[in-house]
Amino acid sequence: SAVISQKPSRDICQRGTSLTIQCQVDSQVTMMFWYRQQPGQSLTLIATANQGSEATYESGFVIDKFPISRPNLTFSTLTVSNMSPEDSSIYLCSVVETGVYNEQFFGPGTRLTVL
Amino acid sequence: AQKVTQAQTEISVVEKEDVTLDCVYETRDTTYYLFWYKQPPSGELVFLIRRNSFDEQNEISGRYSWNFQKSTSSFNFTITASQVVDSAVYFCALSENTGNQFYFGTGTSLTVIP
Repeated sequence: SAVISQKPSRDICQRGTSLTIQCQVDSQVTMMFWYRQQPGQSLTLIATANQGSEATYESGFVIDKFPISRPNLTFSTLTVSNMSPEDSSIYLCSVVETGVYNEQFFGPGTRLTVL
Repeated sequence: AQKVTQAQTEISVVEKEDVTLDCVYETRDTTYYLFWYKQPPSGELVFLIRRNSFDEQNEISGRYSWNFQKSTSSFNFTITASQVVDSAVYFCALSENTGNQFYFGTGTSLTVIP
């Protein structure tokens, strides 16, 4: 199974600033995703990170707020821009290994607190 | 409409009791995949099991077992002889054959009391 790392693991940021979260996978994967998990809530898909093209955003999420890069098949970044306390969440990167079964693996998450 | 429903928000059991976590799903696809993930207090999501729609055999892995019933669109998870280390939030998820999105339930927070 894919091994996924995220940086930073946690951060405390001031309102109005931006934070870039990195996601590194130990193997080439086709699909990479970014999720948000607000306190006490389930996971919400932010976007699909597409290699070589713009990310595909889910309803309620926009590129200006959550710009995403995916320069190659093992790496992606998510930026949380102009942060407010409502952005305080765990942000998770995930990859799908598609074979006989779809299987999704998650990174350890980035715990963000915005003051 | 919610594609994955976990009606139990919080469950508390005493250590060594058995506990079943319910999951009901909704899909029009004939091919789909169901998952359970565990999220301990540390926050990472741990993959527990995947089941495809063509395989209704129940599965047992140690103290964990899963009951897949297509007739009731349910994929319930039972922990036998629960332990304190089982305390976590458990998420059920659905992946349809069309598209790559995973749909997560709202999670069930399990507390095992020593």
